[in-house]
Amino acid sequence: GQSLEQPSEVTAVEGAIVQINCTYQTSGFYGLSWYQQHDGGAPTFLSYNGLDGLEETGRFSSFLSRSDSYGYLLLQELQMKDSASYFCAVAGFQKLVFGTGTRLLVSP
Amino acid sequence: SAVISQKPSRDICQRGTSLTIQCQVDSQVTMMFWYRQQPGQSLTLIATANQGSEATYESGFVIDKFPISRPNLTFSTLTVSNMSPEDSSIYLCSVVDRGRDEQYFGPGTRLTVT
Repeated sequence: GQSLEQPSEVTAVEGAIVQINCTYQTSGFYGLSWYQQHDGGAPTFLSYNGLDGLEETGRFSSFLSRSDSYGYLLLQELQMKDSASYFCAVAGFQKLVFGTGTRLLVSP
Repeated sequence: SAVISQKPSRDICQRGTSLTIQCQVDSQVTMMFWYRQQPGQSLTLIATANQGSEATYESGFVIDKFPISRPNLTFSTLTVSNMSPEDSSIYLCSVVDRGRDEQYFGPGTRLTVT
């Protein structure tokens, strides 16, 4: 089977840095993606790691270690608008399997 | 990026009835995906819809309950049949941009079954 585990909730203050971890067990692994979803909205793509290492996109970075079946999303200079749910997702053959999701609450 | 629209955006239905959800994409895509997301939960893949062939269903989902049509490369429908309150959920369609390893989602259809 496939499973992706994330912390259920993370809290932080504006301007801080937060890391959301994702551990996975899956077959047919091609890469790890991250999606953001605001309440009532559709998921939107944040980043993709096909190879080990760090990918940086503005305030967001994502890391993958295939040998550890582990990745994380790093959010810097947190803003109130970053309050949302964040999902890791394993890209397998012709489909995407989503993790359990992490609700991020950013306070002033 | 792909722009996806869904109809209806929401509906309230009685148990035992069926609802067909439409998904329209602004470009031609090979595969379209249907997901279900229950309140406060993650996204669960229902099936993958390929044009010209039968949909591929994930474990726990069957064609009799969730028939899918894919008449062309820009359109798909998902029917939720013989609904029960347990089918209350958000249903999302999605397409993938292989060149960018990104998946795009429609705005979702919020279904409530009473």
